[in-house]
Amino acid sequence: DAKTTQPNSMESNEEEPVHLPCNHSTISGTDYIHWYRQLPSQGPEYVIHGLTSNVNNRMASLAIAEDRKSSTLILHRATLRDAAVYYCILRDGDSGGSNYKLTFGKGTLLTVNP
Amino acid sequence: AAGVIQSPRHLIKEKRETATLKCYPIPRHDTVYWYQQGPGQDPQFLISFYEKMQSDKGSIPDRFSAQQFSDYHSELNMSSLELGDSALYFCASSPEGDNEQFFGPGTRLTVL
Repeated sequence: DAKTTQPNSMESNEEEPVHLPCNHSTISGTDYIHWYRQLPSQGPEYVIHGLTSNVNNRMASLAIAEDRKSSTLILHRATLRDAAVYYCILRDGDSGGSNYKLTFGKGTLLTVNP
Repeated sequence: AAGVIQSPRHLIKEKRETATLKCYPIPRHDTVYWYQQGPGQDPQFLISFYEKMQSDKGSIPDRFSAQQFSDYHSELNMSSLELGDSALYFCASSPEGDNEQFFGPGTRLTVL
């Protein structure tokens, strides 16, 4: 699986937007960009995913660079409950319908200040 | 909404003992994944099953085995436990072809 690079940690203030960057310069044409987060003492949780176009859902937005070598997860208004480790993961879309293992790298620890 | 159920939530074993972890996927999810997360580490993929067949294998020790049963629940069997096996073990499930994996709360295994 292609590698991703994320900052070790980021800090934000409550109710402000947060932009979490991810570099994936070796991404292949069939790789989807997935974001998961892991709150303290919990299992990982799906946030969002995309291939080429920007994506929005109720949790976040995903902005994908035109060359797909980087992406940014956007939390529009951070809350204390958003404090977590955020993982940017590339997943091969050609790997087959039953083979969607996730390869977690070093994520970004987001701290949200009240 | 129903979530992934893992049991037990906590397990303490001695070195060289065996352990069995169970995972009950969300109803109608036919794919199960197992991940291991050591202290201060990121989750690492161990093994996955689709329709009761092993679909992929990661860095799972030979001392570990797993299977998926006809009701789609899965069990991870761990033998000759070592201190280094102490970790959180997560199970995740997804419907076939779905992009989202739903994780359970994990089983915390402590090997003394």
